[in-house]
Amino acid sequence: DVKVTQSSRYLVKRTGEKVFLECVQDMDHENMFWYRQDPGLGLRLIYFSYDVKMKEKGDIPEGYSVSREKKERFSLILESASTNQTSMYLCASSFGDISYEQYFGPGTRLTVT
Amino acid sequence: AQSVTQLDSQVPVFEEAPVELRCNYSSSVSVYLFWYVQYPNQGLQLLLKYLSGSTLVESINGFEAEFNKSQTSFHLRKPSVHISDTAEYFCAVSGLNAGNMLTFGGGTRLMVKP
Repeated sequence: DVKVTQSSRYLVKRTGEKVFLECVQDMDHENMFWYRQDPGLGLRLIYFSYDVKMKEKGDIPEGYSVSREKKERFSLILESASTNQTSMYLCASSFGDISYEQYFGPGTRLTVT
Repeated sequence: AQSVTQLDSQVPVFEEAPVELRCNYSSSVSVYLFWYVQYPNQGLQLLLKYLSGSTLVESINGFEAEFNKSQTSFHLRKPSVHISDTAEYFCAVSGLNAGNMLTFGGGTRLMVKP
């Protein structure tokens, strides 16, 4: 079974803190994605990566950065957390072609106070 | 660019009743279409997908969806729901020139009551 794991299920941080969210997949997938999920808005793509050290902006990259130093690991970084970044963050991975499904992790619920 | 509209944010239904979750999309290019399901406290799982060929696609647990190009819709149906179908359902689209990027709808929460 494909497994995508995320470092934390729940996280509480203070405004202005630097936050790291980690994602690891075990199926040698080329593509990895970070989404945020908000009620009524569905999932919105923050960043994705199609190879090691490669990254592309999604629909809402402002306030976020990413790092992919190894194929299996994709990190999302909030340089200075703000309350409007309180959300559920989902990581996903897939093979190269769009016809392959995206596999999702369980999510990290981040609260910024 | 693509966009997806799920017309109902919540759908309450009694067990063993039929259900339809509506999804409409807009795109200037040909698309691939997907339905994902999110059970409580879990990540999303692929339910079914349309890539090409037959416009009617089915899942292993009795759901089906039909791609209607003229109406730009991809509605999800099940003739008889179970309590275990209670979940949030997301419709997603990818344009053929959009690489691996998916655009998701806002989600529909299906609530099956005994």
